[in-house]
Amino acid sequence: QKEVEQNSGPLSVPEGAIASLNCTYSDRGSQSFFWYRQYSGKSPELIMSIYSNGDKEDGRFTAQLNKASQYVSLLIRDSQPSDSATYLCAVYNTDKLIFGTGTRLQVFP
Amino acid sequence: GAVVSQHPSWVICKSGTSVKIECRSLDFQATTMFWYRQFPKQSLMLMATSNEGSKATYEQGVEKDKFLINHASLTLSTLTVTSAHPEDSSFYICSARRTSDDTQYFGPGTRLTVL
Repeated sequence: QKEVEQNSGPLSVPEGAIASLNCTYSDRGSQSFFWYRQYSGKSPELIMSIYSNGDKEDGRFTAQLNKASQYVSLLIRDSQPSDSATYLCAVYNTDKLIFGTGTRLQVFP
Repeated sequence: GAVVSQHPSWVICKSGTSVKIECRSLDFQATTMFWYRQFPKQSLMLMATSNEGSKATYEQGVEKDKFLINHASLTLSTLTVTSAHPEDSSFYICSARRTSDDTQYFGPGTRLTVL
C-alpha cells in the first residue's frame, strides 16, 4: 500500500464548478498535511496546510481533514481555467514530506 | 509567503562537467532543505535531505559521490552534479523547511540539460 494515495485523474470540471480532490494516507500517526499545486514545467506551490480535524478555508480553497478515516481533501470553489494543474497531497512523516502522485485537474470554459 | 530561490534556473553543460545549483531561503531560516528531481510527466523524487552543519542523507539509489550536497548555513544549500551525463538531464527542485512551523516551500527549480 502506498503511503499517500491520490487518483491521478484527469478530473475535468466546468468553469465555475466545485472541484473536489481527495487523498488518503496510511500512517495513522501523521499530524501535518499539505496541498501543493504544480503547473506543468514549474515547481510545486503551497496552497494549504491543515493539522486539525475539520475544515480550513482560504479564499476559494477549503481543506478538509478526517484523521479517523485517514482522509484529506481539497475543495476548489468557482473553479477557473487557471486552476488547471496537478494537485499534490503531502503528509509529514518521520521528518520528511511524503507526496502522493498528484491529481491532474482540468477546468474547461 | 516564504520565498525560496534557486540559481541558475536553467543550465546546459557538456558531458563530464560538473554543475552547481544553489538553493536559498530568502526570508526564513531552514535547518533542513531537500533536493528533488523530476523527469517529464513523472512524480517528484526525493534525492536527499540536507541538514545544516551535517552530512546529507541520501535516498536509496542516489549516488552520494555524484550528487554532492552542502548545507553550510541556515539559508543556503548547494547541489553539485559531478561528471554530469545526459541521463542526469532533469528538473532539479530544492525545498526548504521553515524551522518555525515545519512548512516546506519549494524553489522554482533548475532545468539541467547535459549534452
